[in-house]
Amino acid sequence: AQTVTQSQPEMSVQEAETVTLSCTYDTSESDYYLFWYKQPPSRQMILVIRQEAYKQQNATENRFSVNFQKAAKSFSLKISDSQLGDAAMYFCAYSGTYKYIFGTGTRLKVLA
Amino acid sequence: GAVVSQHPSRVICKSGTSVKIECRSLDFQATTMFWYRQFPKKSLMLMATSNEGSKATYEQGVEKDKFLINHASLTLSTLTVTSAHPEDSSFYICSAGTGTYGYTFGSGTRLTVV
Repeated sequence: AQTVTQSQPEMSVQEAETVTLSCTYDTSESDYYLFWYKQPPSRQMILVIRQEAYKQQNATENRFSVNFQKAAKSFSLKISDSQLGDAAMYFCAYSGTYKYIFGTGTRLKVLA
Repeated sequence: GAVVSQHPSRVICKSGTSVKIECRSLDFQATTMFWYRQFPKKSLMLMATSNEGSKATYEQGVEKDKFLINHASLTLSTLTVTSAHPEDSSFYICSAGTGTYGYTFGSGTRLTVV
């Protein structure tokens, strides 16, 4: 069975600095997709970034980028130039053949 | 972009009554929708997969008779919490889309059973 692990329950970053959120997963599938979602205090889930497993190039979306290491089954999210609005819960998610699986989340605090 | 509307956003009901939560895809058709439950400061737990025109697929441990799911059209899925009890109080979220491009989530429903 697939699993997704986020080992950092909480992280803090100074405004304008860079922070990296970790995510590891376990799967025997070769074709899958990985996502990072943001859940602000409003609790609306927002898609931040998406990575296709068959692509070696790391995905980027403005200030958000990932470090995808397929062999290591690692999918970390880097947030550059952190802003106060980035404060939220961040969930890593795996999508394979059967299910969409979420990690336990990392709460990101942004310090002014 | 794809929009999923979930209603109501908050509901308070008495123990023993039933509550219906609606999930609508506004600008796309969704043959499959998903229902999640989220406890405070916890991750999303998949409850069931709602399939248009057929029975929902429930995850292990989720009571089918307690959480009734109906997906009568390509744009609407409903979750009915029957004979609600305080332990059913939670945040319920629906989603639709594809596992390839990422799901779009509704804004969630906070259910409080008193």
